[in-house]
Amino acid sequence: NAGVTQTPKFRVLKTGQSMTLLCAQDMNHEYMYWYRQDPGMGLRLIHYSVGEGTTAKGEVPDGYNVSRLKKQNFLLGLESAAPSQTSVYFCASQRGNEQFFGPGTRLTVL
Amino acid sequence: KQEVTQIPAALSVPEGENLVLNCSFTDSAIYNLQWFRQDPGKGLTSLLLIQSSQREQTSGRLNASLDKSSGRSTLYIAASQPGDSATYLCAVVSDYKLSFGAGTTVTVRA
Repeated sequence: NAGVTQTPKFRVLKTGQSMTLLCAQDMNHEYMYWYRQDPGMGLRLIHYSVGEGTTAKGEVPDGYNVSRLKKQNFLLGLESAAPSQTSVYFCASQRGNEQFFGPGTRLTVL
Repeated sequence: KQEVTQIPAALSVPEGENLVLNCSFTDSAIYNLQWFRQDPGKGLTSLLLIQSSQREQTSGRLNASLDKSSGRSTLYIAASQPGDSATYLCAVVSDYKLSFGAGTTVTVRA
């Protein structure tokens, strides 16, 4: 049981480049989430999904898109990266009202 | 919109002292409250989950209380150890979404 995994662990992008972050969970959870964490701030919700084929906006969705084509995977895309998107990105899945987090992806946009 | 505040932002104590970490939230209509630990450069580890109907939850040296009416939770860590040094985050669940505080960074001095 790997839990929640994230790929890649680190990435450096130039402004305007695009990339996709992958989150995978093997716990058969319906709900999945993408957060970003910036220094001195708590985690902020970007997008979330309540099941395969569904997505919804969170607190800070601008500049990001997501897809949930398979129940076990939740993808976060940046179409045109900006320096303001430099952050640590965490994915989580949920059982009941308890969330389980991946190890994070550290993204730097130059 | 749910606002979660954690005070203090940082705390330094000598080994053996008891730790008291505070969390307050603005909207008392919550499903539960979760305390997490985050080590530098790592993901989040769930410590305790308190359901909205509960007043407290205990695990080993950790005890968390919840007072929904006043919008407060307190995490107590007894007999602190250097290994307890980390950032502690509280998060409240409303509508299947978590709202996080910015965290309290704890340093336990040997």
